[in-house]
Amino acid sequence: AQSVTQLGSHVSVSEGALVLLRCNYSSSVPPYLFWYVQYPNQGLQLLLKYTTGATLVKGINGFEAEFKKSETSFHLTKPSAHMSDAAEYFCAVRDGDTGNQFYFGTGTSLTVIP
Amino acid sequence: GAGVSQSPSNKVTEKGKDVELRCDPISGHTALYWYRQSLGQGLEFLIYFQGNSAPDKSGLPSDRFSAERTGGSVSTLTIQRTQQEDSAVYLCASSFDRTGIYGYTFGSGTRLTVV
Repeated sequence: AQSVTQLGSHVSVSEGALVLLRCNYSSSVPPYLFWYVQYPNQGLQLLLKYTTGATLVKGINGFEAEFKKSETSFHLTKPSAHMSDAAEYFCAVRDGDTGNQFYFGTGTSLTVIP
Repeated sequence: GAGVSQSPSNKVTEKGKDVELRCDPISGHTALYWYRQSLGQGLEFLIYFQGNSAPDKSGLPSDRFSAERTGGSVSTLTIQRTQQEDSAVYLCASSFDRTGIYGYTFGSGTRLTVV
């Protein structure tokens, strides 16, 4: 069965510091991997995705993530945190183009300290 | 429309009453999903519609939950005889096709409170 584990339900970083949000997945076939961001009282917004090709993917707002098959990981990073990055972040996995749904992690709440 | 529209944005209902939640997906998106987000939980898959195919209802938690999608566009999620544990944010999402390769576009959700 597919699953996603996000280590750390809450992460705090100082403004300007590195952001690292961890995501590990399980999948029986090559996965599609996604990161979504949710601001308060809003729906989820796609940050970036990996489907095939280059394993380092860049998304919006300066975020990037690297697919590491050997580690079954897809960690999200940003070199320098901004106050506006404070939000809930969800990692999601889908079994390639099979199946009918994405499986989401439980989310990581990012706090940025001024 | 430009995005996925959900209504109402907030709904407070008494235990035992029925509720209907509406989702208007992006025009041209063939796939439509309903998820439930409870406090401190991830997103729980409820149901999936793809074109004219039979929906995948495998995530519906009980027979009190049902959904339909009319004309391949607007979808309604109905919860009958609501219980307090149904309180959650119900999110609708649509995607261009069934592969999901483009990701989902989510609506802002309906916050349901059962009192």
